[in-house]
Amino acid sequence: GQQLNQSPQSMFIQEGEDVSMNCTSSSIFNTWLWYKQDPGEGPVLLIALYKAGELTSNGRLTAQFGITRKDSFLNISASIPSDVGIYFCAGQSNTDKLIFGTGTRLQVFP
Amino acid sequence: KAGVTQTPRYLIKTRGQQVTLSCSPISGHRSVSWYQQTPGQGLQFLFEYFSETQRNKGNFPGRFSGRQFSNSRSEMNVSTLELGDSALYLCASRYLAGRGTEAFFGQGTRLTVV
Repeated sequence: GQQLNQSPQSMFIQEGEDVSMNCTSSSIFNTWLWYKQDPGEGPVLLIALYKAGELTSNGRLTAQFGITRKDSFLNISASIPSDVGIYFCAGQSNTDKLIFGTGTRLQVFP
Repeated sequence: KAGVTQTPRYLIKTRGQQVTLSCSPISGHRSVSWYQQTPGQGLQFLFEYFSETQRNKGNFPGRFSGRQFSNSRSEMNVSTLELGDSALYLCASRYLAGRGTEAFFGQGTRLTVV
């Protein structure tokens, strides 16, 4: 099935560092969503973006809806051990179909 | 407001058997989507139901089927189980009106085929 390109595939960082990840598509999307999944659990919605150029924050997390509508970015500042998990982006097309990224696995070392 | 509920949480089945998984969406949500997630893999889309009709389908064999009831609860069935069907099966519900495209996931059903 169709999936969005998400990079990097995995990240190993030290506690306190900032993290950046992005998602790109060949198609235009109307909505971008970012999720975090803890091991063995379902993904949890972190941030939703509805407008090109929109920048939204949720605590230490900041996400942006790319102005071309074909990409989105997620930044995590001052990472902590509980940030460990898999981060997924998702884009919604004008057909309401939700397409997920391939995921970025984040590991934080103390 | 209750979240998305999936039952059972864990399931062990034998190769060749069939299995039915259940998903109760958030109250008021009419869209339910199903995903398969294997270790190290992303979310593989199975199908989406809206108002009891399948509106999108992924690239899975016909052994994977689903349905949705009038109360929006959905079931997924896998027949003739194979070892490769072992995975975390996730369902997500959406409202699908206005800004209701946000999908909310259940905790998943961990299926192990032996």
